[in-house]
Amino acid sequence: GAVVSQHPSRVICKSGTSVKIECRSLDFQATTMFWYRQFPKQSLMLMATSNEGSKATYEQGVEKDKFLINHASLTLSTLTVTSAHPEDSSFYICSASDGQSYGYTFGSGTRLTVV
Amino acid sequence: GDSVTQMEGPVTLSEEAFLTINCTYTATGYPSLFWYVQYPGEGLQLLLKATKADDKGSNKGFEATYRKETTSFHLEKGSVQVSDSAVYFCALSGGTGFQKLVFGTGTRLLVSP
Repeated sequence: GAVVSQHPSRVICKSGTSVKIECRSLDFQATTMFWYRQFPKQSLMLMATSNEGSKATYEQGVEKDKFLINHASLTLSTLTVTSAHPEDSSFYICSASDGQSYGYTFGSGTRLTVV
Repeated sequence: GDSVTQMEGPVTLSEEAFLTINCTYTATGYPSLFWYVQYPGEGLQLLLKATKADDKGSNKGFEATYRKETTSFHLEKGSVQVSDSAVYFCALSGGTGFQKLVFGTGTRLLVSP
C-alpha cells in the first residue's frame, strides 16, 4: 500500500535556528501534499497545501515566510520552520495524495521542540 | 464553510463493550467522509471511509454509515479491545477530487481490561 515517510520523527532545536522536515512518498506520486500542525490533545490544523512544481497555498493565519514549503518533485515535500521560537513547538504531520486511488496517506509526524 | 463535529472525550470502556463515537458534518455538495485513528506519538491511519450516501465503510470490526439525511457518520464497533485505545478523528473532504481534509476535534478512546 501507499507509504509516506516523514523525517525526522523528533527534533530539538535552539531558538532562532531553522529546522527542515521531509516528507517522501515511497511508492506513489504525490501530486498534492498537505502539511498539518497538531497541538497537544487537539485536532489537526491545516497549514498549507502544495502541488508539485507550484507555490504552496497557505491557510489564513499561517505565516508563509516562517513556514517554507517546497514541493519540487512528485515524491518529496519539505517544510522548513525558519527562525524557530518556543511557540513553534508542536507536532507536524504531512499528508500526500496522488489524486486517484491512494487517497490520503499520512506521515508518522515530527515532534518539534524549540528550546 | 465545511465543518465536522464529534463527541467530546475521553470515552472510557471496558474490554468487549460496544463503542459508538458520534460524528456529524456540515458541507455543501456531496463530501467524502473518513475516520482516522491516531496512536500515541504517531501519525494518522485511515480506518475507513465512505464516498456517497448510504455507503458503509468497515475495517477491523469498525463500521460507519454515511447518512445524508442526518448528516452523520457515526463510528461503531461491537466489541472493543485494549489495543483500540487511541484518538479517533472524523473528517470530510468536500468537492470533487482529493481536496483538503477537514477534521473534527478527535475523540480519545480508553479501553480497560
